[in-house]
Amino acid sequence: DSGVTQTPKHLITATGQRVTLRCSPRSGDLSVYWYQQSLDQGLQFLIQYYNGEERAKGNILERFSAQQFPDLHSELNLSSLELGDSALYFCASSLRWGGSSGNTIYFGEGSWLTVV
Amino acid sequence: AQSVTQPDIHITVSEGASLELRCNYSYGATPYLFWYVQSPGQGLQLLLKYFSGDTLVQGIKGFEAEFKRSQSSFNLRKPSVHWSDAAEYFCAVGAPNNDMRFGAGTRLTVKP
Repeated sequence: DSGVTQTPKHLITATGQRVTLRCSPRSGDLSVYWYQQSLDQGLQFLIQYYNGEERAKGNILERFSAQQFPDLHSELNLSSLELGDSALYFCASSLRWGGSSGNTIYFGEGSWLTVV
Repeated sequence: AQSVTQPDIHITVSEGASLELRCNYSYGATPYLFWYVQSPGQGLQLLLKYFSGDTLVQGIKGFEAEFKRSQSSFNLRKPSVHWSDAAEYFCAVGAPNNDMRFGAGTRLTVKP
């Protein structure tokens, strides 16, 4: 158990809909990351927050957005869903921000999203 | 930007045999390197990491990896594979903004 909690574990929704994925980081971690894992794209970094502020953006679509709340939990909002958005979405957390610190990222078990 | 290459998409080894999974990285500065394992339906679990110091690092489950700067490699090894090691393995390099870039993964199958 990494200590990173994601809900829901599984979600099925229709095209055009909007969903919200929730993540609670490990106790004490200030950074939260979102990744998307699909068969054709592999593991893709979406976005990172540190202590409530956006710090890095990866391959995140404009239809997707995220935020980190004062209690440090994070939500990933996916809207106008398309079939190709079906994937496993991981949340991860780490204590600090910045690769130079070499701090370790711990992953949750993921949220399976199926768009039908 | 940094990148990671895992040349082998799929590897099959017999139980009890030795294992080496390859990882090559591209990064201008001193890299921070990681190996993660993902079992079916599970999240990514950290096996080991290299930040600095001894280039041979030990991890969990009997895995080790060696950082070779001259070859830009961080190969994962295990002397004797167990059936429970069947999983997907990801190499990753830490980035300045800590977004961590992952390789495409190597799927390991263990034959009885």
